[in-house]
Amino acid sequence: RKEVEQDPGPFNVPEGATVAFNCTYSNSASQSFFWYRQDCRKEPKLLMSVYSSGNEDGRFTAQLNRASQYISLLIRDSKLSDSATYLCVVIPNTGNQFYFGTGTSLTVIP
Amino acid sequence: DVKVTQSSRYLVKRTGEKVFLECVQDMDHENMFWYRQDPGLGLRLIYFSYDVKMKEKGDIPEGYSVSREKKERFSLILESASTNQTSMYLCASSFFLRRAGGHEQFFGPGTRLTVL
Repeated sequence: RKEVEQDPGPFNVPEGATVAFNCTYSNSASQSFFWYRQDCRKEPKLLMSVYSSGNEDGRFTAQLNRASQYISLLIRDSKLSDSATYLCVVIPNTGNQFYFGTGTSLTVIP
Repeated sequence: DVKVTQSSRYLVKRTGEKVFLECVQDMDHENMFWYRQDPGLGLRLIYFSYDVKMKEKGDIPEGYSVSREKKERFSLILESASTNQTSMYLCASSFFLRRAGGHEQFFGPGTRLTVL
């Protein structure tokens, strides 16, 4: 079973829409959770951390549900510039390894 | 600004050739990683290193080796390139996880390797 699983999409949404992605993880002892963003033909970059209490950064909201072992990313008022692949990342409570999901592709259309 | 650089953006090699991919970071990070990224498969960890001369196998180490002789440099070696190693190779670095800022990996721009 994969450590991290994501719906690959693609998600095609109009500008201004709200879109949400989920990501499930298999190791209940996982400790840290993040969302990375990868633009086309570019390297991944950290978008935001995911805290147990949920956290918000402008139009982006990340949440963690430990009981069901998933993390989510909500994007409100989508912009054309939000078009990218969003990768969830899980770090176990041991070791130095990061586990990346396969990514969810988002295209925001005018 | 953190910088992770990779020796080549594009590389074309022939089957059986020995291939070296170099990665250098300038942030004094302890950890360095090599991934390959393929459509539908996402980022898969090949090897990582948490210190000079130390290495750990990732999920897909077969056909690859690595070298870390200096803290800032992490090399990926394909001993005998094969067509199924055609891929995008991404290097990344980070502080130790337990250290402040250790949760963030910084990636290089990637090397698109084609093996003919």
